[in-house]
Amino acid sequence: SQQGEEDPQALSIQEGENATMNCSYKTSINNLQWYRQNSGRGLVHLILIRSNEREKHSGRLRVTLDTSKKSSSLLITASRAADTASYFCATEGVTDSWGKLQFGAGTQVVVTP
Amino acid sequence: EAQVTQNPRYLITVTGKKLTVTCSQNMNHEYMSWYRQDPGLGLRQIYYSMNVEVTDKGDVPEGYKVSRKEKRNFPLILESPSPNQTSLYFCASSLVAGSYNEQFFGPGTRLTVL
Repeated sequence: SQQGEEDPQALSIQEGENATMNCSYKTSINNLQWYRQNSGRGLVHLILIRSNEREKHSGRLRVTLDTSKKSSSLLITASRAADTASYFCATEGVTDSWGKLQFGAGTQVVVTP
Repeated sequence: EAQVTQNPRYLITVTGKKLTVTCSQNMNHEYMSWYRQDPGLGLRQIYYSMNVEVTDKGDVPEGYKVSRKEKRNFPLILESPSPNQTSLYFCASSLVAGSYNEQFFGPGTRLTVL
């Protein structure tokens, strides 16, 4: 079954604005990763946050993790047209077999100039 | 250049005609995986491999086979494709198994089964 679920499903913003998307998951996890997918292409890893971390930054990306609420958020600050893509969270449950990464359905972000 | 390659990139076939989608990585990664992506469902794992000769089922393995005879290659085999296997397929690899490691994805194979 799908572990992570992103919210919203779609997001439309203007260049310079911030974009925030959320990921909720059902079972306890080891880590959570965020990936980006440009239209029809392979996914690209953005950031990994461990279960004992609460916040992590990478350039214009900020990820938070709240294990008590089983949720994570990805914030893209000062968005650019090149940030237009779908964003996915991926988790590995503590009871899952190693390598069984579960992806959500994704948030489609459109950044207009 | 470090990469995961897949072939073919696009394939239209008919029900029942066996096909193989190849996947190769040049990063000496131990872990490889196959996913399918369908609208509204995200990516679902088909099969994965921890290392040579070690493979295991993901969430949606029915109708698919895999093999891992060499470290760099992880082909996906559809013995008798059906229309419900029409999808976008991705191969991925990582240094070792486990969510501490980022996965590197191939460019995708768009399969249509008529």
